[in-house]
Amino acid sequence: AQTVTQSQPEMSVQEAETVTLSCTYDTSESDYYLFWYKQPPSRQMILVIRQEAYKQQNATENRFSVNFQKAAKSFSLKISDSQLGDAAMYFCAYRSAGSRYYGGSQGNLIFGKGTKLSVKP
Amino acid sequence: EAGVAQSPRYKIIEKRQSVAFWCNPISGHATLYWYQQILGQGPKLLIQFQNNGVVDDSQLPKDRFSAERLKGVDSTLKIQPAKLEDSAVYLCASSPLQSSSYNEQFFGPGTRLTVL
Repeated sequence: AQTVTQSQPEMSVQEAETVTLSCTYDTSESDYYLFWYKQPPSRQMILVIRQEAYKQQNATENRFSVNFQKAAKSFSLKISDSQLGDAAMYFCAYRSAGSRYYGGSQGNLIFGKGTKLSVKP
Repeated sequence: EAGVAQSPRYKIIEKRQSVAFWCNPISGHATLYWYQQILGQGPKLLIQFQNNGVVDDSQLPKDRFSAERLKGVDSTLKIQPAKLEDSAVYLCASSPLQSSSYNEQFFGPGTRLTVL
């Protein structure tokens, strides 16, 4: 069974600074997806960034980027120029690739326990 | 585009009572998920539907939990009877069924259940 581990229950960053959230996972599969989700206090889960395991290039979305180390099974999230609105719970998640053909079932997400990020003004 | 709708947003019941949650996914999304998120933990899948069929319910406590998606659109999750350990946020998510890539899951706001 796949597992996702986030070893930092809480992190804090100064506004405009950079912070890195850690995530490791365990799987015997070679084809999968990795995600970072943000959950603000209102609890609506929002996708931040995604990575496909077969792509070696690290994903980037504006101020958010990942460091994907497939051999080490590591998937960290870097937030640059932190803003007050970045304060939230961040969850790392894993999903099997499943069937890539039409009609194939979509695997469910396996989440870590989350990291609570605080941003200091 | 309207997002995933859930109701109620909050529910307080006493143990051994019954409760039901409703979810309306994004229009056209074939796959619907129910997750349980206990305080301090990440969400855990309870059940996954594709259209009106169950794809995965291996982690659903079937002695007390049930879920249905009769017309392949909205879904209901029921707990009967509730236990104290069922206190959690219940998240509904949906995703489209397409022929390419990873298909993002879109989450609703959740229903916070407190069992006293």
